[in-house]
Amino acid sequence: DIQMTQSPSSLSASVGDRVTITCQASQGISKYLNWYQQKPGKAPKLLIYDASNLETGVPSRFSGSGSGTDFTFTISSLQPEDIATYYCQQCGNLPYTFGQGTKLEIK
Amino acid sequence: QVQLQESGPGLVKPSETLSLTCTVSGGSISGYYWSWIRQPPGKGLEWIGYIFYSGSTNYNPSLKSRVTISVDTSKNQFSLKLTSVTAADTAVYYCARQRGGGMENWGQGTLVTVSS
Repeated sequence: DIQMTQSPSSLSASVGDRVTITCQASQGISKYLNWYQQKPGKAPKLLIYDASNLETGVPSRFSGSGSGTDFTFTISSLQPEDIATYYCQQCGNLPYTFGQGTKLEIK
Repeated sequence: QVQLQESGPGLVKPSETLSLTCTVSGGSISGYYWSWIRQPPGKGLEWIGYIFYSGSTNYNPSLKSRVTISVDTSKNQFSLKLTSVTAADTAVYYCARQRGGGMENWGQGTLVTVSS
């Protein structure tokens, strides 16, 4: 299985801050990396697919980049409603695997 | 907008079989891959497996010996069976529609507790 290592595991930032989360795959997965947002008690929501493509309806402050083994997820200006846990997920190889999550809090 | 809804018992006894159904509304089950994902309380996400509308499947090797996913296109439903459950199978179970390898639509999730 491909292991997905996400960092940091938790993050505290202020409204308006630029926030960056990284995800590293244990082997190359080309562009096949997705990012999800999960709010408490809710299902995850797909934000970014294929490393850098913004899902329809998702605000443009969210972005993703990377390929191969190293990927980055960025919120350009943190908003209060962005408080959630964020997960990366690789779909380059079966079985699909997720990172352990990054819990984002407001400072 | 397609909607997914999980249904099934919320409590299963150890060693028994967990059975869940996902009903798809607002769209056809045909033409897509459909996945099950689970999340133990307070923990991360684990992909269980997927089924194509035609019936072909792929399972996570960690669960493969105990998992069966099936589809009923006439009812616009797909189902999960997990045998010989233990407390480690206690989780929120989600169904989802895939686009490529990403889960673009999710059900709200259903908590299944394994306990006697």
